[in-house]
Amino acid sequence: EDKVVQSPLSLVVHEGDTVTLNCSYEVTNFRSLLWYKQEKKAPTFLFMLTSSGIEKKSGRLSSILDKKELFSILNITATQTGDSAVYLCAVEDNAGNNRKLIWGLGTSLAVNP
Amino acid sequence: KAGVTQTPRYLIKTRGQQVTLSCSPISGHRSVSWYQQTPGQGLQFLFEYFSETQRNKGNFPGRFSGRQFSNSRSEMNVSTLELGDSALYLCASRTGTGDHEQFFGPGTRLTVL
Repeated sequence: EDKVVQSPLSLVVHEGDTVTLNCSYEVTNFRSLLWYKQEKKAPTFLFMLTSSGIEKKSGRLSSILDKKELFSILNITATQTGDSAVYLCAVEDNAGNNRKLIWGLGTSLAVNP
Repeated sequence: KAGVTQTPRYLIKTRGQQVTLSCSPISGHRSVSWYQQTPGQGLQFLFEYFSETQRNKGNFPGRFSGRQFSNSRSEMNVSTLELGDSALYLCASRTGTGDHEQFFGPGTRLTVL
């Protein structure tokens, strides 16, 4: 069965720390991997990754994909309290003509001042 | 540009009843996807509609159905509600089924008593 596993499930850090969030997957027909940030209700898009080894970067956030080992990491440097959120990883599965996103349970990040 | 809107925001129903949730996508977006989010299962894909046609479907029972109108607005219906249907129902829109970035609405919190 296709699945996406995120770790850790939760994390508490202090402002200024660097964190690494992990996402591993077992998906038969991989198309892409996406990272989202969910603060209150609606997840907001962070990155989409399709190729191994190419880092995507946006400010203090960066992400990379390893399609051989089937995982991705999301790095956040110099964390701020505003980074507190649930970070969701999703893999797009392209089985035949039925494309769908398979989601991990998320990593809950709390950044304390 | 207005974001994705969902109505109602909160809903309380009893077992056996049915419910209809509504989603208005971002103007110009023709694809609408529905997700169920629960603490134990995370985000789970229900279905995706594009140009009034269901394009993709998750693994939910037939009690869960949806439709899309010519103006791209979408509705989701759940019949014969069960306690386990209590969840946050999120709708997401994108320009087309080939685009990866989805924009989520605030969700409808459904509680089944």
